[in-house]
Amino acid sequence: KQEVTQIPAALSVPEGENLVLNCSFTDSAIYNLQWFRQDPGKGLTSLLLIQSSQREQTSGRLNASLDKSSGRSTLYIAASQPGDSATYLCAVSPTTASKLTFGTGTRLQVTL
Amino acid sequence: GAVVSQHPSRVICKSGTSVKIECRSLDFQATTMFWYRQFPKQSLMLMATSNEGSKATYEQGVEKDKFLINHASLTLSTLTVTSAHPEDSSFYICSADPGSGTDTQYFGPGTRLTVL
Repeated sequence: KQEVTQIPAALSVPEGENLVLNCSFTDSAIYNLQWFRQDPGKGLTSLLLIQSSQREQTSGRLNASLDKSSGRSTLYIAASQPGDSATYLCAVSPTTASKLTFGTGTRLQVTL
Repeated sequence: GAVVSQHPSRVICKSGTSVKIECRSLDFQATTMFWYRQFPKQSLMLMATSNEGSKATYEQGVEKDKFLINHASLTLSTLTVTSAHPEDSSFYICSADPGSGTDTQYFGPGTRLTVL
């Protein structure tokens, strides 16, 4: 059974800092990995999707890497802003059009 | 594009009543929709996979007679929580898969259910 863990569970940083969120998964037989953002009481916003054959994806200040063989992914956020404050979730899928297994999430707070 | 809506966004009901939650894909068709549940400060847990025109597939530990899923069309799936109890209070989120080689799912905004 796939298990996805995220470290740290919570993180507070001052504005402007670069930061790294970690995600690990137990079964490396994944089709893709996604990073999502969730604001309190809201649904999910997809940030980045990495196919199993890819090593990284970038979107603006976000960069996600994937090391499938070791079961790890990182989300790098550059020059953090208060608007980045949210919970970040990673999720893996075993096949296309398949159910997602979500990680435990990292609650990020960026302070002024 | 790729918008998924949920209705209602928030519902409060008495213990023992049934509650229906709708999930709609507004600008695409989805043969597959997923229902997730999220308890406070926890991650999303998949409850069931809903396929248009066929029975839903439930995850282990999810009571299919309590959580009724109907995927009657390519744009609508409904989740009915029957005889709701306070322990069913949670945040329910659906997602829809547009298929056609798209690898991502699109998530609804969620429904907050509170059972008194």
